[in-house]
Amino acid sequence: AQSVTQPDIHITVSEGASLELRCNYSYGATPYLFWYVQSPGQGLQLLLKYFSGDTLVQGIKGFEAEFKRSQSSFNLRKPSVHWSDAAEYFCAVGAREYGNKLVFGAGTILRVKS
Amino acid sequence: SAVISQKPSRDICQRGTSLTIQCQVDSQVTMMFWYRQQPGQSLTLIATANQGSEATYESGFVIDKFPISRPNLTFSTLTVSNMSPEDSSIYLCSVGHSGRSYEQYFGPGTRLTVT
Repeated sequence: AQSVTQPDIHITVSEGASLELRCNYSYGATPYLFWYVQSPGQGLQLLLKYFSGDTLVQGIKGFEAEFKRSQSSFNLRKPSVHWSDAAEYFCAVGAREYGNKLVFGAGTILRVKS
Repeated sequence: SAVISQKPSRDICQRGTSLTIQCQVDSQVTMMFWYRQQPGQSLTLIATANQGSEATYESGFVIDKFPISRPNLTFSTLTVSNMSPEDSSIYLCSVGHSGRSYEQYFGPGTRLTVT
């Protein structure tokens, strides 16, 4: 069965420090990969997406993610974190073979300390 | 991307009652979906709202408990019926277009508390 793993439930980084949030997936098909961010009391905002082509994708708010097929990973990175980045981040995976369904990881809560 | 609104944004309901949540999109979209996010949990797909036909429910979700309507390409409702405290969750609608329906955009959510 398809699954998405975000190994880190909580991560705390200092403002200005770099960030990497991990995402691993288990899919028997070519995956489409997404990162969403959810601020407290808000809906989900799409940060970036990967369908094909260049494995390093750029998103909004200075985020990027790299697709590594050999590692079944799609880690999210940001070179310098801002206090406003504190939120919960969800990795999600879909595949044409599985229709419209997106499968979400459990989420990683990012705390930023000043 | 489309602008998606949901009503109500939050509600507190008594057990045994029902609540209907509305999702409105500012442009026509092919696909609309309803998700549940239980406290401290990730998102789980409830169903795909199909325009002009019955919704397609995921395993563990049934029409009697979560009836869904989709009268046109910009509007859908989800009803949470005969509520219990276990139904306390955030309910989110999302939209996508056929051919890229896995690329979904989400509404702000409805926070439901059942007492």
